[in-house]
Amino acid sequence: NAGVIQTPRHKVTGKGQEATLWCEPISGHSAVFWYRQTIVQGLEFLTYFRNQAPIDDSGMPKERFSAQMPNQSHSTLKIQSTQPQDSAVYLCASSVDWGSSYEQYFGPGTRLTVL
Amino acid sequence: GQQVQQSPASLVLQEGENAELQCNFSSTATQLQWFYQSPGGSLVSLLSNPSGTKHTGRLTSTTVTKERRSSLHISSSQTTDSGTYLCAIVLGYKLTFGTGTSLLVDP
Repeated sequence: NAGVIQTPRHKVTGKGQEATLWCEPISGHSAVFWYRQTIVQGLEFLTYFRNQAPIDDSGMPKERFSAQMPNQSHSTLKIQSTQPQDSAVYLCASSVDWGSSYEQYFGPGTRLTVL
Repeated sequence: GQQVQQSPASLVLQEGENAELQCNFSSTATQLQWFYQSPGGSLVSLLSNPSGTKHTGRLTSTTVTKERRSSLHISSSQTTDSGTYLCAIVLGYKLTFGTGTSLLVDP
């Protein structure tokens, strides 16, 4: 079991460029989560998929951010027109199923730096 | 206000000493997880403990759900224990994290 895989591990973009982050959940896990970690805000929930369907994107900034899960083996987080304040570590997690009794397992994160 | 509060914010120990980390939360949590994050490293789940006491290795977690608090006890600390310890509660399905306790264990 390789765990949750995230690529790339580091990404540097110029202001205004697009960034796409990839996540491969643990095989057999039906729930996928995206979180963002910054020094100022700490760890924040962004969005959640269950069985590939988007369930809750209440943590996503309304503009420029989007997430998809085209198949059960990967999810993407896309940030259009990146801004310096988007610099953060973006973490993907998966769990066997949704609900509070299931542990979430995290990937190593993608460190995004916007110059 | 902050739904999950952790204390202390930072802690420095000599190797071999014990550590006690606290987590207080403002909402009824059906699940509580303790995580470890090494400097620049991944988030690793240490324990899930919604209530009662759980042990794993040198770690003991005690959660008193009614009082909305949890503790993580690290016995006989080692330099490799240095890092950030995060407490998170599950509200619905999403994790809400505390700001963490930064632990430094000196040799």
